[in-house]
Amino acid sequence: GENVEQHPSTLSVQEGDSAVIKCTYSDSASNYFPWYKQELGKRPQLIIDIRSNVGEKKDQRIAVTLNKTAKHFSLHITETQPEDSAVYFCAASTGYSTLTFGKGTMLLVSP
Amino acid sequence: GAGVSQSPSNKVTEKGKDVELRCDPISGHTALYWYRQSLGQGLEFLIYFQGNSAPDKSGLPSDRFSAERTGGSVSTLTIQRTQQEDSAVYLCASSLVAASTDTQYFGPGTRLTVL
Repeated sequence: GENVEQHPSTLSVQEGDSAVIKCTYSDSASNYFPWYKQELGKRPQLIIDIRSNVGEKKDQRIAVTLNKTAKHFSLHITETQPEDSAVYFCAASTGYSTLTFGKGTMLLVSP
Repeated sequence: GAGVSQSPSNKVTEKGKDVELRCDPISGHTALYWYRQSLGQGLEFLIYFQGNSAPDKSGLPSDRFSAERTGGSVSTLTIQRTQQEDSAVYLCASSLVAASTDTQYFGPGTRLTVL
């Protein structure tokens, strides 16, 4: 089945810096790659997603890139703010819809 | 509109007891998913429903775990003879349809603690 690796496990940045989180996947049939943000004690919330027919997608300060040949995708957050501090999960979906998640990245943004 | 809801929010039980966790999906969503999140870990897929059918039960960790969905809406995840390793947050999600590119929306989770 699908295997998703996520790096780094923790990431500390200063406010205003950029943050990049990277994921790799194993199943070349995967065609949907969402990113979820989970604040402490809260539910995971979708922040951006990308489908396999697109290489890059942006939404304000957040962007995701996808390289299907290399089987990796990345989340880019620019101009980070303290409220960006959370755990971020990448995921990959194949076939009928189940998501395989990475183990998460704890992002800490210091003022 | 209302999001995915789950109950109870917290459940403390003794080893060996059975527990039932409930999920109410977003109205009109035909697909429903159960995940488990252990401390410091990612989300582990357990089972999903399309309507009342469960095409994929491959993630259920043992035969002590079962789930059902009735009326294409509410789902119940049952854990029999709970063990300490069952302690985790159980998350439910729903999507409009069970399609690989359809967005899944999560509930707040049920935190299960087995003493």
